[in-house]
Amino acid sequence: EPEVTQTPSHQVTQMGQEVILRCVPISNHLYFYWYRQILGQKVEFLVSFYNNEISEKSEIFDDQFSVERPDGSNFTLKIRSTKLEDSAMYFCASRETISYNEQFFGPGTRLTVL
Amino acid sequence: SQQGEEDPQALSIQEGENATMNCSYKTSINNLQWYRQNSGRGLVHLILIRSNEREKHSGRLRVTLDTSKKSSSLLITASRAADTASYFCANSGGGSNYKLTFGKGTLLTVNP
Repeated sequence: EPEVTQTPSHQVTQMGQEVILRCVPISNHLYFYWYRQILGQKVEFLVSFYNNEISEKSEIFDDQFSVERPDGSNFTLKIRSTKLEDSAMYFCASRETISYNEQFFGPGTRLTVL
Repeated sequence: SQQGEEDPQALSIQEGENATMNCSYKTSINNLQWYRQNSGRGLVHLILIRSNEREKHSGRLRVTLDTSKKSSSLLITASRAADTASYFCANSGGGSNYKLTFGKGTLLTVNP
C-alpha cells in the first residue's frame, strides 16, 4: 500500500541553524501539507501546497519557513534559523484532488532544537 | 476559538469493552476524519465521514456525525490492548485546501 515517507525520523540542531525536513508524498496525490505537533499539544496546520505554490498558510508559517517541491517526488520544509520553540514533531500529509479524500500522514520528523 | 474538542480527554477500559469518544467542532465541515496516534508516532488514518453522511462503519469502528449539533463520535467495539493510543478527530472545513483542524485528542487505555 502506498504511503507517505519522511526523513529524517529525528533531527537535532542548534538554535539558529537551518534545517530541511523531507517528505515523499504518495505518487498520485496533488495536495501536500505540513503540520506540526508540539509535545503534548494539538496537531497544527502549517501550510498547504498545490500546483507548485503555497495555497494556504497559517500564522505559524512565518518568513522563517519555506516549502519546496524540487522535483516530481520530494516535498521539503525548510526552517531558516531555528528557535527553541520550533522543537516539535513535523508531519507531512498528502491527498488526492477530490475534496472528500483522506489526508494520509507520514511518520513524522521529530525536530529538537538545542 | 477551539475546534474539534474531544471528550473524554482520557478513557480507561478493560479489553473486550466498547470505547466511545466524542468530538465537537465549531465551523462548517466538508468532512470529518478520525486518526489514531501511538505514543510519539505518526498519525494513522482510521475513517472519514462526509458532511452528508450520518453513520459509517469500518471493521470494529463506527463513526456518527450530527451536523446540527456539530459533533461526531467514534465507537470502537470489542476493544483490544493494541487499541491503546490517542485518538483525534480532524475536521476538513471550508476553503479549497481542505486543511485539517485537529482536536486535542482522547487518550484511550485498554487494559488486558
